[in-house]
Amino acid sequence: DSGVTQTPKHLITATGQRVTLRCSPRSGDLSVYWYQQSLDQGLQFLIQYYNGEERAKGNILERFSAQQFPDLHSELNLSSLELGDSALYFCASSAPSGRGSGNTIYFGEGSWLTVV
Amino acid sequence: GENVEQHPSTLSVQEGDSAVIKCTYSDSASNYFPWYKQELGKRPQLIIDIRSNVGEKKDQRIAVTLNKTAKHFSLHITETQPEDSAVYFCAACPTGGGNKLTFGTGTQLKVEL
Repeated sequence: DSGVTQTPKHLITATGQRVTLRCSPRSGDLSVYWYQQSLDQGLQFLIQYYNGEERAKGNILERFSAQQFPDLHSELNLSSLELGDSALYFCASSAPSGRGSGNTIYFGEGSWLTVV
Repeated sequence: GENVEQHPSTLSVQEGDSAVIKCTYSDSASNYFPWYKQELGKRPQLIIDIRSNVGEKKDQRIAVTLNKTAKHFSLHITETQPEDSAVYFCAACPTGGGNKLTFGTGTQLKVEL
């Protein structure tokens, strides 16, 4: 158990709908990351938050948005869903970094999203 | 931005043999290189990492080497076992990059009996 909690574990929804994925980071971690993993694909970085503020942005679609709340949990909102959005969405967290990089990133179990 | 290439995409070895997976990165500012193992349908798990001030690191049957000049790093697994079968991802993180990892495309390792 990495200590990163994600809900829901599985989700099936129809095209055009909107879903929200939730993540609770490890205790004490300030950074939250979202990654998308499609079938037979690698891990695509979507977005990072640090202590409530957006820190880095990857290939996140405009239909997707995220936020990190004061209690440090994060939500990833996916709207106008398309079949191609079906994927495993991982949340990850890492310990506070004074500056720079190099802190271990711990992944949650992921949320399986199936768009039908 | 950083670009990480990983080879091979699939690797099949006999139990007891060694396996080597190689990655190259593009951003010379990268200074942190973790390796993750992902079993089917499960989360990626860190198995070893190396920082740019070290050339080699070993943990039991797993070792990672880093060549900063050539901008490549490799994962070495010795005495492979069936439970080593999984997808392995390398990643790179640049200094000042806010801990944003760029992952390679993964290597499907299969250890055959």
